[in-house]
Amino acid sequence: SQKIEQNSEALNIQEGKTATLTCNYTNYSPAYLQWYRQDPGRGPVFLLLIRENEKEKRKERLKVTFDTTLKQSLFHITASQPADSATYLCALLASGDMRFGAGTRLTVKP
Amino acid sequence: DGGITQSPKYLFRKEGQNVTLSCEQNLNHDAMYWYRQDPGQGLRLIYYSQIVNDFQKGDIAEGYSVSREKKESFPLTVTSAQKNPTAFYLCASRDRVIANEKLFFGSGTQLSVL
Repeated sequence: SQKIEQNSEALNIQEGKTATLTCNYTNYSPAYLQWYRQDPGRGPVFLLLIRENEKEKRKERLKVTFDTTLKQSLFHITASQPADSATYLCALLASGDMRFGAGTRLTVKP
Repeated sequence: DGGITQSPKYLFRKEGQNVTLSCEQNLNHDAMYWYRQDPGQGLRLIYYSQIVNDFQKGDIAEGYSVSREKKESFPLTVTSAQKNPTAFYLCASRDRVIANEKLFFGSGTQLSVL
């Protein structure tokens, strides 16, 4: 069966450190993968998209990698800040519908 | 101001009652989606529609129904057959014409059972 797994339910780090979140998938052949941020009681907000032919994508303090051999994407937040505390979700498009991982709740402590 | 609007923000359902959650978008998007989110859980797909008058079941469609009579609107009805409806419901839309296009989400409806 198809699965999208974010293998850390929660991640706590100190301000200024780099947060690394993992997204693994099985039985998908995605052309691209997306990352979203969700704050409590709100809808997710799109952050980054990476295509299958791209190894790495950057946007300000965010970096995403995509390894189609390992079927894995890594999401990095460098120089993390308390304002980065949120749940981060990865998503794949499959036959017209978007499927999400369970998310990783990141807490950045001052 | 383009966007996607969900209403109401909070909704209470009595036992045996059907309730309808509204989702409207003015982004001219063809594809629309309904997700359910339980506390501490990810998003699970209920239904999605890629074009007017057509929709497909997601992973947890039982106890729910939808319609897509207009491009802008994709209401979700939680029927009395859904025995555990308490959850946060999210509607989203996407432009199918643009490949890889991101989802735009509404602000959600919190449904609770009285």
